[in-house]
Amino acid sequence: KAGVTQTPRYLIKTRGQQVTLSCSPISGHRSVSWYQQTPGQGLQFLFEYFSETQRNKGNFPGRFSGRQFSNSRSEMNVSTLELGDSALYLCASRRTGGFGDTQYFGPGTRLTVL
Amino acid sequence: QKEVEQDPGPLSVPEGAIVSLNCTYSNSAFQYFMWYRQYSRKGPELLMYTYSSGNKEDGRFTAQVDKSSKYISLFIRDSQPSDSATYLCAGDSSYKLIFGSGTRLLVRP
Repeated sequence: KAGVTQTPRYLIKTRGQQVTLSCSPISGHRSVSWYQQTPGQGLQFLFEYFSETQRNKGNFPGRFSGRQFSNSRSEMNVSTLELGDSALYLCASRRTGGFGDTQYFGPGTRLTVL
Repeated sequence: QKEVEQDPGPLSVPEGAIVSLNCTYSNSAFQYFMWYRQYSRKGPELLMYTYSSGNKEDGRFTAQVDKSSKYISLFIRDSQPSDSATYLCAGDSSYKLIFGSGTRLLVRP
């Protein structure tokens, strides 16, 4: 079974631009979560979608948004990029997102903001 | 105070050693705990997950949870250079995982 895929793998943007990242979950998984990983803050939860609905949101500004499509694929968008947004953005999927449902990560998209 | 605390290391051990990686947590709502391994420039890979207090073994890996003291551990037996990576512990809360900062492990040949 194919794992979680993320595109693009690498991205370079300049301050003020916006960016859209894409995630395809494992087949049959309906829950998709997004995380930001930086050396200083570690892995931080952004948001989680299940059946096209956002179920939970982390403590990030409104510039960070996401959505999920009917085929469970998800996108996240960051508007008005700042230097501090440079990070590895990880997508993770799980079957339903209920307690005990294990989460599997994709390889990530490395975003560099210049 | 962070919900999950983890010593960042690095932890350097000789090949064949038993490795002990530890985390403490403060959120009593955590019911499940996971250990992930992350190689440089890769996404985290699920190693172990546990629900109740006690031990869970899988090959060379043993995960231990002590809910009374809010302490979770991962033991690696017969460590190999290929185990060199960052190990992340996480607690499961309300559809999201709360991660520790990760411990960098180096296994010397």
